[in-house]
Amino acid sequence: DAKTTQPPSMDCAEGRAANLPCNHSTISGNEYVYWYRQIHSQGPQYIIHGLKNNETNEMASLIITEDRKSSTLILPHATLRDTAVYYCIVRVPGGTSYGKLTFGQGTILTVHP
Amino acid sequence: NAGVTQTPKFRVLKTGQSMTLLCAQDMNHEYMYWYRQDPGMGLRLIHYSVGEGTTAKGEVPDGYNVSRLKKQNFLLGLESAAPSQTSVYFCASSREATGGYGYTFGSGTRLTVV
Repeated sequence: DAKTTQPPSMDCAEGRAANLPCNHSTISGNEYVYWYRQIHSQGPQYIIHGLKNNETNEMASLIITEDRKSSTLILPHATLRDTAVYYCIVRVPGGTSYGKLTFGQGTILTVHP
Repeated sequence: NAGVTQTPKFRVLKTGQSMTLLCAQDMNHEYMYWYRQDPGMGLRLIHYSVGEGTTAKGEVPDGYNVSRLKKQNFLLGLESAAPSQTSVYFCASSREATGGYGYTFGSGTRLTVV
């Protein structure tokens, strides 16, 4: 699986958009970009994933650059409950990579009033 | 609410004791996984299952056994607990497949072996 690089921490004001970057310059053509978050003491929570097109769901938007070497997770209106560690993961789903989610250090997002 | 349920949430064991962690999902997912999370180590895959009646080893399977007798349940057993197995254990499930899907995680079991 491709390695990812994320900033260790970010701050965001409540109600503003949080933009979390992720670099994955060695991503291969069949690897998806996944985002998860882990709120203190809870299990990781799936947020969104994509291959090459931008994606949006009820939680967030995922913007993937045209060369797919980086992506940005956007939380459009951050709330205090969005304070968590956010993980960007790049992998090929299925096949021999079952369950092999490599959670790096992630980005600690702190949303403040 | 639909999701993954883990029991128990907390447990303290003495070295050498045995126990079983239960994971149940109601999303009809084929794939289920057991992870452990230790400080500074991230999540490590213990065992996984790609369907009812199947199991396979992950990255750190030693000291653990699993069973998937029913599609909705995935059990993790510790036959003889050791202090090195003190950890937070997470169960997850997914539809997986080549199209790519997210994993749904349980809330975790905090196990301390003394």
